[in-house]
Amino acid sequence: NAGVTQTPKFRILKIGQSMTLQCTQDMNHNYMYWYRQDPGMGLKLIYYSVGAGITDKGEVPNGYNVSRSTTEDFPLRLELAAPSQTSVYFCASTSPHLGPAGVEYEQYFGPGTRLTVT
Amino acid sequence: RKEVEQDPGPFNVPEGATVAFNCTYSNSASQSFFWYRQDCRKEPKLLMSVYSSGNEDGRFTAQLNRASQYISLLIRDSKLSDSATYLCVVSVSGSARQLTFGSGTQLTVLP
Repeated sequence: NAGVTQTPKFRILKIGQSMTLQCTQDMNHNYMYWYRQDPGMGLKLIYYSVGAGITDKGEVPNGYNVSRSTTEDFPLRLELAAPSQTSVYFCASTSPHLGPAGVEYEQYFGPGTRLTVT
Repeated sequence: RKEVEQDPGPFNVPEGATVAFNCTYSNSASQSFFWYRQDCRKEPKLLMSVYSSGNEDGRFTAQLNRASQYISLLIRDSKLSDSATYLCVVSVSGSARQLTFGSGTQLTVLP
């Protein structure tokens, strides 16, 4: 299994440009997430999906859009890039498994996309 | 107030030292607790879940105090390879299993 893959690894955008960050997982996980991580900060949830066709906003959704047409793919769209969107973007997925304390959810992360908007 | 608060460090310790990280969370409805490890410029990876009774995984021991809303991680006999940022993570029970991350505590183990 490749796990969670993200493309591109790096991207520089000009203000006002658009782009799509790709995320694919091959673990048949239902839940998928997009986070952003600014320098020295924790991860903040942008959008999430509990299954194909279902998406919902996280903590910081403004300026982004998502779709989930298949279980495997969860692309993140930036329509009008702004300098405030300079960040590292991580995609993650999870499914339940039985652990010592009952049903547990471990999130698996992709390697991230480093985006700079200038 | 942040939902999950950690001492940012950095913690610089010699090899073989014991080091402890603390974390507090504000949402009393939090149900699941984790420590994730993040190496420089890499993605976070699960280090260990934290259970109410406390749990140990080799040199790592995690404790949870629900009454005080406090989580800890103890690393014994530190190795150079333990150098990383340690993220305290909590989850409120719900269908989406969303995680809330602390900002992380940076650890450098020195030779």
